[in-house]
Parts: sequence; structure tokens; C-alpha cells
Amino acid sequence: DVVMTQSPLSLPVTLGQSASIFCRCSQSPLNDDGNTYLNWFQQRPGQSPRRLIYKVSNRDSGVPDRFSGSGSGTDFTLKISRVEAEDVGVYYCMQGTHWPWTFGQGTKVEIK
Amino acid sequence: EVQVVESGGDLVQPGGSLRLSCATSGFSFNYYWMSWVRQAPGKGLEWVANIKYDGSEKSYVDSVKGRFTISRDNTKNSLFLQMNSLRADDTAVYYCAGDPLGPGGYWGQGTLVTVSS
Repeated sequence: DVVMTQSPLSLPVTLGQSASIFCRCSQSPLNDDGNTYLNWFQQRPGQSPRRLIYKVSNRDSGVPDRFSGSGSGTDFTLKISRVEAEDVGVYYCMQGTHWPWTFGQGTKVEIK
Repeated sequence: EVQVVESGGDLVQPGGSLRLSCATSGFSFNYYWMSWVRQAPGKGLEWVANIKYDGSEKSYVDSVKGRFTISRDNTKNSLFLQMNSLRADDTAVYYCAGDPLGPGGYWGQGTLVTVSS
């Protein structure tokens, strides 16, 4: 199975500052169809997961432009600009190229 | 408005069976791959099963192969997960996800399955 390794696992941030979460895949999520199926999810406390980013850098509908995804090969990044209180939660990267699709361990974002 | 609503979660004894349902509306269900994803209490996310838009292809994570069956009814915009031979480590919130890799990315609120004697 493809292992998704996130860092850091805990991320205290100051309101208004930026935060970055890194995700390394044990195999490239570049698919034979030319797409890189690397997604990012947010899970706020007590809520179900919500997808933020699909195919590396495409923001889902309704997701603030403070969230951005980037990367290639095996290394990917989710950046949150100007962190707000509502951004507290656990963030997961996920690859959808190699079955079984797999998630990272999660990065817990909290406010300092 | 897109709606994805799971149901069928319950407390069941080890070795028992359960059928989960996912009712959807607001998107073209019959055009999309659908999935089940689960989350054990206090743990991370695990992708359980996928089914192609026409039901012709299905994939399962190894831990549920031979025990779980994913299916769909495109006439009713519904997804199902038949779970047999349930074990304690199947205890989780089960989420239904539509168009998991495409622009849709529709997720439900989940239904809790507890396997315990």
C-alpha cells in the first residue's frame, strides 16, 4: 500500500499567520491518465471530513482562497494563509491513484 | 442542493451482519464513482470500497474483502454496503462519498457501526 507521511503531526499557529502541512507519498500519485490524484481534507472537531483540495491544487466549491495546494512527484503541501479560528481541526492528505487509496496520519492544527 | 445521507448504522454482535444505505440527491448519481470510507473512534480515515458509476467495477480494501459488498441502485440514487462477519475492528463511522476524485467530492455525515457483544 502507498504510505502517506504527513508532517508535522501537530501544528500550533497564531491567528492571522500562515501554516503549511507537508505530505510525502511512498509512490508518486501520478496516474496513467495524466492526473495526480492527491487530495486534502479538513475535519473540524465533531464533524465529518470535508474535501478542500483535489488533484493537487484545485479548490473545492466554497473553500476559501486562503487554502492552497501544491507539489509534484512525491511531495505535496497544503498552505493555509491568514489562519482563522474556524481552521482548527485535523487535516489529511490522500492519494487516489493506487488501490487501496490511502490517507496520511493527519495533522492537528490548533491556535496558540 | 447536494445531499448525501447515510443510514443503517447500529450496534451488532461479532459475526453479525448489517446493511448500510446512502441516499443522495442534487447531483447526477449515475455518472459518478461512489465510495465508502470509515473512521474508527479517535483514529484516522480508511478507504473501504469503491464502485464504478455503472456498477461494473468494484474494489475493496484487503481487510474487508470477502465480507463486505458494495452495490448501488442508480434508479434510486442510492449506494449500499452489505457487511457480513463483522468484527470488533469494523467499529467505525462509515461515510459515503460521491465523485471522490473529481470536482464533486460529495460526502455525507456518516453512520456509526458498533460491533460488540
